[in-house]
Amino acid sequence: DAKTTQPNSMESNEEEPVHLPCNHSTISGTDYIHWYRQLPSQGPEYVIHGLTSNVNNRMASLAIAEDRKSSTLILHRATLRDAAVYYCILRDVYDMRFGAGTRLTVKP
Amino acid sequence: KAGVTQTPRYLIKTRGQQVTLSCSPISGHRSVSWYQQTPGQGLQFLFEYFSETQRNKGNFPGRFSGRQFSNSRSEMNVSTLELGDSALYLCASSLDLTSGGHNEQFFGPGTRLTVL
Repeated sequence: DAKTTQPNSMESNEEEPVHLPCNHSTISGTDYIHWYRQLPSQGPEYVIHGLTSNVNNRMASLAIAEDRKSSTLILHRATLRDAAVYYCILRDVYDMRFGAGTRLTVKP
Repeated sequence: KAGVTQTPRYLIKTRGQQVTLSCSPISGHRSVSWYQQTPGQGLQFLFEYFSETQRNKGNFPGRFSGRQFSNSRSEMNVSTLELGDSALYLCASSLDLTSGGHNEQFFGPGTRLTVL
């Protein structure tokens, strides 16, 4: 199984940008890179995904390395509501395999 | 559009019993996946159903089973419950996963199972 490696935890100040890294050196050509986050006492929530090119949506941006062996989720202005566990996942055809994720703490 | 719903939200059982959890996907979604979440193991994939067929299964013992009905609603069953089965069980629906991993999954709030 293709796996991802993320830092266990990160801290950010409110209203500052946050860059959450993810390494996935064994990624295959057909794996999509997905990011989900899980707020306390909730199920995971989709954030963004991409294949090769950088992606932007209303929640975040996803920067994918040219060799696709790493990616970075960018929250442009962190808010207290962004405090969550962020999961970087390689998505193949049938399932998603979650790693331990990065616990993001946002300080006011 | 209503989100993914799971029932019941909380459940307490004793060792040796069996339990059935239910998941109603978002209308129009045909793929349903189940996950187990525990503090020690994190989120682990159980199985995925599409059009009433199990397409993929994670590394769980045969005590864990599931099924999907023609209306895409899904159930998972755990027989002979063990203390270690205490967990949050999450269901997620998707339009179809066969499009190459492109579709996002929408998660329900989960069922919190406690085994005493």
